[in-house]
Amino acid sequence: AQKVTQTQTSISVVEKTTVTMDCVYETRDSSYFLFWYKQTASGEIVFLIRQDSYKKENATVGHYSLNFQKPKSSIGLIITATQIEDSAVYFCAMRESYYAQGLTFGLGTRVSVFP
Amino acid sequence: GGIITQTPKFLIGQEGQKLTLKCQQNFNHDTMYWYRQDSGKGLRLIYYSITENDLQKGDLSEGYDASREKKSSFSLTVTSAQKNEMAVFLCASSMGQNQAPLFGEGTRLSVL
Repeated sequence: AQKVTQTQTSISVVEKTTVTMDCVYETRDSSYFLFWYKQTASGEIVFLIRQDSYKKENATVGHYSLNFQKPKSSIGLIITATQIEDSAVYFCAMRESYYAQGLTFGLGTRVSVFP
Repeated sequence: GGIITQTPKFLIGQEGQKLTLKCQQNFNHDTMYWYRQDSGKGLRLIYYSITENDLQKGDLSEGYDASREKKSSFSLTVTSAQKNEMAVFLCASSMGQNQAPLFGEGTRLSVL
């Protein structure tokens, strides 16, 4: 069964710096999809970025990028030039291509950006 | 752009009561999901549906029923509300199972 682990419960950073958060996953499938979401203080859940397991290049969208290390089953999220509004809980999720029922989520990492 | 609408936004029930949550999407997405989020926790899959009239159980399906009578709507029923239960139920939809689901704003459930 697929499993997603986010070990960092919270991270604090100063505005305009870079924050990196970790995510490791377990899967029995050779093909899978990895996603990062952000949950704001209002509870809204927003899709940020995805990485397909067969792609070697790290995905980048705006100031979000991924550090995909397939041999380590790791998919880190990097946010550069952080802004106050990046303060949120960030969830890593995965879906196996063949076996999965739906996305399995990690427990989330709370990021606080301070001026 | 489209939207996912969940009703009601807040739901207060009594122990043992049967409660129904509704979700509508106008993205024309095939796949719809129901997730539960407990305070400070991640999201756990209750049910999902890959097309009209299809239902697939997630890890948390016990105590819930679901219905997908139309492509655009997906409802979830709590068959017997548990005392002091508090959670947010999130509906999501995607075009196919490999696309990133988009989420509604949630229904916040409290059981007295």
